Amino acid sequence: DVKVTQSSRYLVKRTGEKVFLECVQDMDHENMFWYRQDPGLGLRLIYFSYDVKMKEKGDIPEGYSVSREKKERFSLILESASTNQTSMYLCASSFGVSGANVLTFGAGSRLTVL
Amino acid sequence: DQQVKQNSPSLSVQEGRISILNCDYTNSMFDYFLWYKKYPAEGPTFLISISSIKDKNEDGRFTVFLNKSAKHLSLHIVPSQPGDSAVYFCAASGLGNTDKLIFGTGTRLQVFP
Repeated sequence: DVKVTQSSRYLVKRTGEKVFLECVQDMDHENMFWYRQDPGLGLRLIYFSYDVKMKEKGDIPEGYSVSREKKERFSLILESASTNQTSMYLCASSFGVSGANVLTFGAGSRLTVL
Repeated sequence: DQQVKQNSPSLSVQEGRISILNCDYTNSMFDYFLWYKKYPAEGPTFLISISSIKDKNEDGRFTVFLNKSAKHLSLHIVPSQPGDSAVYFCAASGLGNTDKLIFGTGTRLQVFP
């Protein structure tokens, strides 16, 4: 069974802390994505990567950075967490570069910033 | 600017009846449309898709209809079951190599006995 695994399901951090969200996929997918889900706003793309060491900004990249050192791993970094970054974070991967490719999502990481 | 819109945040349907979830989009360059289903505390899972060359795609109890002239798609679930209770997201994309998937805001479906 193919999987996207997000290492932390629930995190509570304080304002100003550095936060790492880790995501690993075992499907040998080229593409990996980070979304956040907020009520009434749906899923919004933060960053994505089409290849190792490659990253592209999504629709809401401010306050975030990413790292992709290995094909299977894509990390989301909050350099200095703020309360407006309290959200559900979803990692996804897909095979191939076309937007028509189906995304496989992880279970999500719920982050609360106090 | 919301390119993909789901104007109904919630929908309540009796078990056995039809559920109709609607989605509108503004970008005429979108060529591929998908529906995802999300249960609480889980990631979204792919449900069904349709390309712009079709106006209907069916998979068991789920059918997606596309009206390109109206920039509208809908998901029909017949018959609805309590296990279908979830949040449903529609999503759209072009078919180019750099085209990203754009999601709607979601509709929470509740199917009651």
